[in-house]
Amino acid sequence: GEDVEQSLFLSVREGDSSVINCTYTDSSSTYLYWYKQEPGAGLQLLTYIFSNMDMKQDQRLTVLLNKKDKHLSLRIADTQTGDSAIYFCAEILSGAGSYQLTFGKGTKLSVIP
Amino acid sequence: DAGVTQSPTHLIKTRGQQVTLRCSPKSGHDTVSWYQQALGQGPQFIFQYYEEEERQRGNFPDRFSGHQFPNYSSELNVNALLLGDSALYLCASSLVRADNEQFFGPGTRLTVL
Repeated sequence: GEDVEQSLFLSVREGDSSVINCTYTDSSSTYLYWYKQEPGAGLQLLTYIFSNMDMKQDQRLTVLLNKKDKHLSLRIADTQTGDSAIYFCAEILSGAGSYQLTFGKGTKLSVIP
Repeated sequence: DAGVTQSPTHLIKTRGQQVTLRCSPKSGHDTVSWYQQALGQGPQFIFQYYEEEERQRGNFPDRFSGHQFPNYSSELNVNALLLGDSALYLCASSLVRADNEQFFGPGTRLTVL
């Protein structure tokens, strides 16, 4: 497909783990990113992974990359109410001189107290 | 260390008017990208400026133009505004390096009536 795809909504209970999934478009993408957007705010870079890695862990965040299936996931351990936001995955398309981030439509995470 | 700043925060214009949005990059960054985020959508790449030149452009008409100043700050200009130009306009700054880590400002909310 031509688009970066994400499921639109996810609801979890406080303290549980959240897993947000993304399918990206370009198997040659060099870097893949996860951004967080709170209501009325800009985007906050959470983490990114280089395409030659399968996994990256950063405190409560774990990123898994399956290059064969072009699938990226973000796991948030011990989800808190402050994690409620929209999460975007993004890729940098391959090719010389490509600098643009291509985003999915975002997954709205709702954390139930 | 100041992050990316944008001005104004909100703007209301009427169809056919022209608008200028401003962005100051994160300290030490030399590259500025602009994105348009319509309601409920992910950001769409407009263009990127480096060394005062437009380095890459997304799929936006010529009504969208930009500029980068010697101090790396940037402006986005939109002429002949359409109702469909109503969106959150995000500026991101970065360094020229492989991971292309882009840091976003809070955005300017443009409403076209």
